[in-house]
Amino acid sequence: SQQGEEDPQALSIQEGENATMNCSYKTSINNLQWYRQNSGRGLVHLILIRSNEREKHSGRLRVTLDTSKKSSSLLITASRAADTASYFCATDPSNDYKLSFGAGTTVTVRA
Amino acid sequence: DTGVSQDPRHKITKRGQNVTFRCDPISEHNRLYWYRQTLGQGPEFLTYFQNEAQLEKSRLLSDRFSAERPKGSFSTLEIQRTEQGDSAMYLCASSLVDQDNEQFFGPGTRLTVL
Repeated sequence: SQQGEEDPQALSIQEGENATMNCSYKTSINNLQWYRQNSGRGLVHLILIRSNEREKHSGRLRVTLDTSKKSSSLLITASRAADTASYFCATDPSNDYKLSFGAGTTVTVRA
Repeated sequence: DTGVSQDPRHKITKRGQNVTFRCDPISEHNRLYWYRQTLGQGPEFLTYFQNEAQLEKSRLLSDRFSAERPKGSFSTLEIQRTEQGDSAMYLCASSLVDQDNEQFFGPGTRLTVL
């Protein structure tokens, strides 16, 4: 079963704008990971945030985690056409090793 | 390339045939995972290994599916008597124990069962 749920399901923005997507989950976690997937390809690991962290940055990416609300957000700043992809959050539940993914947010960046 | 590799990248087969996929993890990673992804969905866990031991199997993994990791390095996933419902992307990932279970994925094998 898929624990995470991303919102929105799809997002269309202009190049240069910021894109924000959210992830909600149900059980306690060790960490939460965000991945990008270009059409028909494998998943690229973007960023991992531990349960005791609230915010993390990597380049143009900013991830927040609110364990009290069981939610996370991914912000992509100054988007580029190359950011067009599906983005997935994956939770690493406590005492487990398998990741649980949501259905993803499809982001389209228009030139 | 020192990432996770998978072979083949695409496989088209007829219903009832057997297929086998291979995954080569990042060399020092001792955990290896198989996931399945259907169109419009996120990956779903199938099974995982720590070294050569298969430690967990999902209920998604019917008795037609078998996975091995004989020497704790590469892994194979075999599907016997394929069905059209097996059509999906099969993804392999690897991670290192004690590194936050940060999983790195291969490019996937896309299976089409006709």
